[in-house]
Amino acid sequence: DAKTTQPNSMESNEEEPVHLPCNHSTISGTDYIHWYRQLPSQGPEYVIHGLTSNVNNRMASLAIAEDRKSSTLILHRATLRDAAVYYCIPRIGNTPLVFGKGTRLSVIA
Amino acid sequence: DADVTQTPRNRITKTGKRIMLECSQTKGHDRMYWYRQDPGLGLRLIYYSFDVKDINKGEISDGYSVSRQAQAKFSLSLESAIPNQTALYFCATSDLSSNQPQHFGDGTRLSIL
Repeated sequence: DAKTTQPNSMESNEEEPVHLPCNHSTISGTDYIHWYRQLPSQGPEYVIHGLTSNVNNRMASLAIAEDRKSSTLILHRATLRDAAVYYCIPRIGNTPLVFGKGTRLSVIA
Repeated sequence: DADVTQTPRNRITKTGKRIMLECSQTKGHDRMYWYRQDPGLGLRLIYYSFDVKDINKGEISDGYSVSRQAQAKFSLSLESAIPNQTALYFCATSDLSSNQPQHFGDGTRLSIL
């Protein structure tokens, strides 16, 4: 499994954009980069995933570096409901997710 | 995710007891997973099943067993519970197709005294 490095914690002001970084320098060419988040007292939920190109959906955007050794999850306008632990997970095909410790995002009103 | 239901939501029991945690899903997914989460840590995989006849060990399967009774049901058992199995347990499902997201239940909080 590719190893990932994420900041332990980050803080953002409400309604500001948030950029959550992830380093995955050992990623293989077929690993997709998945992002999940876990809100307090809930199971993880899928946010977004991509392989090489930048990806957008209703929740977030994913910017993937050209060499694929890093990626950034972008929340365009943080809300209090976005306070959660965010996990960056390189994944081959449909293998089970392997979770690290993630980044705990705090959003300040 | 309301389509993945875990029961019970909370359980307190004693050392040595046999415990079963149940997971059912209405998503029609073939693949199901059991994870545990300890405070401050990410989830760790216990067992997973790619279809009814398939069971695979995960990273931390010792002390646990599973049963895939049907496509929609996947149970996790602790044959003789011990205090260090106190944790939050999550069930997840995913579709057979490649790179599909995993969908998680809301978890079972298990305390072993």
